[in-house]
Amino acid sequence: GQQVMQIPQYQHVQEGEDFTTYCNSSTTLSNIQWYKQRPGGHPVFLIQLVKSGEVKKQKRLTFQFGEAKKNSSLHITATQTTDVGTYFCAAKTYNQGGKLIFGQGTELSVKP
Amino acid sequence: DGGITQSPKYLFRKEGQNVTLSCEQNLNHDAMYWYRQDPGQGLRLIYYSQIVNDFQKGDIAEGYSVSREKKESFPLTVTSAQKNPTAFYLCASSVTSGSHSYNEQFFGPGTRLTVL
Repeated sequence: GQQVMQIPQYQHVQEGEDFTTYCNSSTTLSNIQWYKQRPGGHPVFLIQLVKSGEVKKQKRLTFQFGEAKKNSSLHITATQTTDVGTYFCAAKTYNQGGKLIFGQGTELSVKP
Repeated sequence: DGGITQSPKYLFRKEGQNVTLSCEQNLNHDAMYWYRQDPGQGLRLIYYSQIVNDFQKGDIAEGYSVSREKKESFPLTVTSAQKNPTAFYLCASSVTSGSHSYNEQFFGPGTRLTVL
């Protein structure tokens, strides 16, 4: 079925370093959402991107949606230990009805 | 206090037994979902329901069954036909569904099922 590829699978950074995770699809997406799952927890919604080329910011987090609506990225500036967790992108396509297709997730660890 | 609840948090069953996982929401959401999470594989959709008395198979429905008799409830049964049932199961809900709906999904705390 339709897949959304997310890389990298793991990222280990020193506190204060930047972090980026990427999602790519072979087909055009209706919209893309980003979720964060803390260790031992459940996914929590962060943001949604709908428009081509859209950029949204939440404090140190910057989310982008590609011009062709086939890729997206999440960038964290100056990571903190509170950023630890797994970040998932989740996308809707125009031919999959109401289903969200989740990427495999990027597990971020931050060394103080 | 609105939210989505799953019970129990941990569940142990013997191989060959069916087990039902509970999911309840008081958010008045039309759509509900069941996902399975395994290490390194993200979330995989088992079943979803866009409205009461209707549900659709997701990507890995084999060995599972659901019902949606009430808007608030979407229980998942893991049957003995599921070959590898040990996993973390997450239930979610959203206001509506559809490819052009822009609703976030709210997740419950999950049930960790271990089949011995």
